[in-house]
Amino acid sequence: AQSVTQLGSHVSVSEGALVLLRCNYSSSVPPYLFWYVQYPNQGLQLLLKYTSAATLVKGINGFEAEFKKSETSFHLTKPSAHMSDAAEYFCAVTRHAGNMLTFGGGTRLMVKP
Amino acid sequence: GAVVSQHPSRVICKSGTSVKIECRSLDFQATTMFWYRQFPKQSLMLMATSNEGSKATYEQGVEKDKFLINHASLTLSTLTVTSAHPEDSSFYICSASLGINQPQHFGDGTRLSIL
Repeated sequence: AQSVTQLGSHVSVSEGALVLLRCNYSSSVPPYLFWYVQYPNQGLQLLLKYTSAATLVKGINGFEAEFKKSETSFHLTKPSAHMSDAAEYFCAVTRHAGNMLTFGGGTRLMVKP
Repeated sequence: GAVVSQHPSRVICKSGTSVKIECRSLDFQATTMFWYRQFPKQSLMLMATSNEGSKATYEQGVEKDKFLINHASLTLSTLTVTSAHPEDSSFYICSASLGINQPQHFGDGTRLSIL
């Protein structure tokens, strides 16, 4: 079985500050890991994915995430927050059989001016 | 590329009616489509997985007679909420994938409100 835990349901940062959203996973097999962003009343947009290649993954909108097997983590970072980054962020892991996703509880990012 | 269109974006209807939600992959053929339900301020819960031409696979606790899923073509899947009641009110999101270990591409969701 696979699971994802996102630490912190709400994160607030100032505009221009570092963004760090935490994700820890549990998986009995090498995982595929994803970060998605959801704006209000919209579906999910893929930010980036880890598929067993480079451990540091760069995504869209200046986001990146680092896969750390020893820590079973896949934290999402962005050096400088922008107001438009305010949204809900979901970390997800694929199940063993194919690409069915298991989502974390989500983290709402708020950006203060 | 990889655009998924979901329609309608919002629907409000009376208790007891049936509601159909469409999910279309506009520029690719989706071997697999997924249907999720999202309650306010919560994560997405997978309801079912559908493969073109096959019966959908429902997650535990999801009533297959309540939530009818049809995936008749490689570009269209539909979710019908039958005899909807207020507790069915939620945000429903579909996604489509080219195949195993390919990323899912999400629609914009349908907000269903049952009065």
